[in-house]
Amino acid sequence: EAGVAQSPRYKIIEKRQSVAFWCNPISGHATLYWYQQILGQGPKLLIQFQNNGVVDDSQLPKDRFSAERLKGVDSTLKIQPAKLEDSAVYLCASSLVVGPRGELFFGEGSRLTVL
Amino acid sequence: AQKITQTQPGMFVQEKEAVTLDCTYDTSDQSYGLFWYKQPSSGEMIFLIYQGSYDEQNATEGRYSLNFQKARKSANLVISASQLGDSAMYFCAMGHGNKLVFGAGTILRVKS
Repeated sequence: EAGVAQSPRYKIIEKRQSVAFWCNPISGHATLYWYQQILGQGPKLLIQFQNNGVVDDSQLPKDRFSAERLKGVDSTLKIQPAKLEDSAVYLCASSLVVGPRGELFFGEGSRLTVL
Repeated sequence: AQKITQTQPGMFVQEKEAVTLDCTYDTSDQSYGLFWYKQPSSGEMIFLIYQGSYDEQNATEGRYSLNFQKARKSANLVISASQLGDSAMYFCAMGHGNKLVFGAGTILRVKS
């Protein structure tokens, strides 16, 4: 079974530029998450989708971050304009089971460096 | 609000020995799950073990066991017979439904 795919793996941009990350979840997983992991910290949830609807985006900086999940499969996370503090690894995860035992499957992440 | 605390920034363990990674949590929820994930240098988060708040027995998965003490709100991970491949970052997380809140992590280094 193929895992969660993310691209690009690495991206370096200058502040005020824009960037987009792509995620393809495990086939059949209805729930998709984007997490931000700043160096030395644990992942922090940015947004959660159930199929193509947003379940939770309370921690997404909406003035610069946007995310969509068209057709309930692939998802794109965009940052525009980027700030220095956006330097982080952006992890995409998906899950099948909804409930307390909802194990998340993570991709390898997209590492963003903002100069 | 849910909060996870991992007080050990880094740990060393000798190969083949056991090691305990500490995790305490805070929540007002009655139903929740506790998870441990491993993050090697490649960056991928790998699920290790799960404990439900109503589970009476401690969870075990191969060399991993979770020492769950509900009254103390702790969920420590025990790795038995450490291997060099266990060197990685380890995260404790709490979930209600599918939403996970992670701790800051503990770096584990296994010495040969």
